[in-house]
Amino acid sequence: SQQGEEDPQALSIQEGENATMNCSYKTSINNLQWYRQNSGRGLVHLILIRSNEREKHSGRLRVTLDTSKKSSSLLITASRAADTASYFCATAKNRDDKIIFGKGTRLHILP
Amino acid sequence: ETGVTQSPTHLIKTRGQQVTLRCSSQSGHNTVSWYQQALGQGPQFIFQYYREEENGRGNFPPRFSGLQFPNYSSELNVNALELDDSALYLCASSPRGATNEKLFFGSGTQLSVL
Repeated sequence: SQQGEEDPQALSIQEGENATMNCSYKTSINNLQWYRQNSGRGLVHLILIRSNEREKHSGRLRVTLDTSKKSSSLLITASRAADTASYFCATAKNRDDKIIFGKGTRLHILP
Repeated sequence: ETGVTQSPTHLIKTRGQQVTLRCSSQSGHNTVSWYQQALGQGPQFIFQYYREEENGRGNFPPRFSGLQFPNYSSELNVNALELDDSALYLCASSPRGATNEKLFFGSGTQLSVL
């Protein structure tokens, strides 16, 4: 079963623009993570935000978390062609629980 | 540091057959999780292994089974293959004490069932 739902399902933007993806989830969580997947291969961990945090930055990535709305957003600034990939949010309910993924947002950066 | 490796990369089987997929975890990681990813979907959790024991299972039938070995490598076995089992199978390892904080994925095994 899928815990998270990303929105939009697909997004195309011009290189240099900012890309924003959203994730909504259903139950309380310990943390929320974002992963990137290129061409249907292995996923790469991008960033983790804990339930007691509201915002986190890593390079060109900015993640926000609103536990009252059970939602998160991932912002990629100054997009590049190499950012073309699928992006998944993933949640864990507690420290010992499994990590559950959403359906993903397919991001395409236009030259 | 050696990353997560999976074998084989591609596999074609026919309905009713059995398949074994293999995964070597990243050095120092003692937890292995398996995911199934259908085309255009997110990864679905199959099960997780910790210290050679199953430590959580998703909504998959018993014909999906697994093993973890003393060196923390793992196998996923699927019996009586069905057409819907066609998918990318992903293995991920995680370090002790952070099993739900960061997964390190292999490149996956693409299974096609005809």
